[in-house]
Amino acid sequence: KNQVEQSPQSLIILEGKNCTLQCNYTVSPFSNLRWYKQDTGRGPVSLTIMTFSENTKSNGRYTATLDADTKQSSLHITASQLSDSASYICVKTRGAGSYQLTFGKGTKLSVIP
Amino acid sequence: NAGVTQTPKFQVLKTGQSMTLQCAQDMNHNSMYWYRQDPGMGLRLIYYSASEGTTDKGEVPNGYNVSRLNKREFSLRLESAAPSQTSVYFCASRLGTGDNSPLHFGNGTRLTVT
Repeated sequence: KNQVEQSPQSLIILEGKNCTLQCNYTVSPFSNLRWYKQDTGRGPVSLTIMTFSENTKSNGRYTATLDADTKQSSLHITASQLSDSASYICVKTRGAGSYQLTFGKGTKLSVIP
Repeated sequence: NAGVTQTPKFQVLKTGQSMTLQCAQDMNHNSMYWYRQDPGMGLRLIYYSASEGTTDKGEVPNGYNVSRLNKREFSLRLESAAPSQTSVYFCASRLGTGDNSPLHFGNGTRLTVT
């Protein structure tokens, strides 16, 4: 059973609109949670990492939030651009120092003009 | 700056054939990884190498072997390909031993086994 669940599975939005992608995790104990962006036909690229002490972190138009109590993270994209069309993957480390990562299945975002 | 380079980009094999997927990184990273990505599933770890000279099994190692040839190169071998190994294979590397450093991925090898 995948212990990182992402929603929605896919999303279509108009260029210029905002959107929020969700990630729920059950992997314990807590360690870092990272968001990756994967363009079609390419490997994933790290967007941001959330640590236990962080609630919010921004990277340009991307803002990630973390609620360790409810085990939820979100990725908010502001003023979407066509180049934001990609899959967004939430990744959780299984434990401090572990090499084993649990990948979510991703949310496929399509930004249309 | 090439990053992580994978070859080949595409490959079609018949059941029972063998092949080696090549991966090289030029970032002086210590650890390297092989993942497979299948539709409707998250990336799954096949094998990893924490440092030069060591390799360990991941979640789905059956049917695969790996070689950490040197610090730069980490190859994945399919000895007798099966249709269940049709997938996109990603090699990745990272500097550190924990998750404080991000994975850097190659652009994948798309393998079809008929």
